Amino acid sequence: DVKVTQSSRYLVKRTGEKVFLECVQDMDHENMFWYRQDPGLGLRLIYFSYDVKMKEKGDIPEGYSVSREKKERFSLILESASTNQTSMYLCASSGTSGRYTDTQYFGPGTRLTVL
Amino acid sequence: DAKTTQPTSMDCAEGRAANLPCNHSTISGNEYVYWYRQIHSQGPQYIIHGLKNNETNEMASLIITEDRKSSTLILPHATLRDTAVYYCIVRVALLMNRDDKIIFGKGTRLHILP
Repeated sequence: DVKVTQSSRYLVKRTGEKVFLECVQDMDHENMFWYRQDPGLGLRLIYFSYDVKMKEKGDIPEGYSVSREKKERFSLILESASTNQTSMYLCASSGTSGRYTDTQYFGPGTRLTVL
Repeated sequence: DAKTTQPTSMDCAEGRAANLPCNHSTISGNEYVYWYRQIHSQGPQYIIHGLKNNETNEMASLIITEDRKSSTLILPHATLRDTAVYYCIVRVALLMNRDDKIIFGKGTRLHILP
């Protein structure tokens, strides 16, 4: 079974703090993704990575950065947390078949509250 | 733009088969139909996907019409733990394509009744 784990289920931080969210997958997947999910706005892609040390901006990268130093680990960093970053953060990973990426599998999510 | 249409909510009695429909009339020839579900406050869970043939796994069956314009997800013996929002999406995922992202519509809220 594919397993995607995230470092915390719930997190409370203060405005201005630096926040690290970690994601680990155990399926040797090449591709990893960070989304946020908000009521009424659905899933929105923040960043993704197709290989170690590679990163690509998604639709809403502002205020976030990422790091992928190892294939199994993809970190999301909030440089200076703000209240509008209160959200559910979801990590996903997928393999690759030829020119195509495969099914995306999601982690359990981290519900972040910024006070 | 929503590429799929699903009923807002459905009820199903525990132990019965739950049949969840999805319309995707503008699906392209190389797009797959995917189903995910999300239980409250948890991450989305992959269920099944298919291109044109019917598919079955340990969780569900997927029936795709011959013209591929609609599909039905079948949970053969629904339990209370199947209460969730079910999302049907169509997707073709080319490597390095910036559109390789999951976009959920509003989905179907399935209530399993005891």
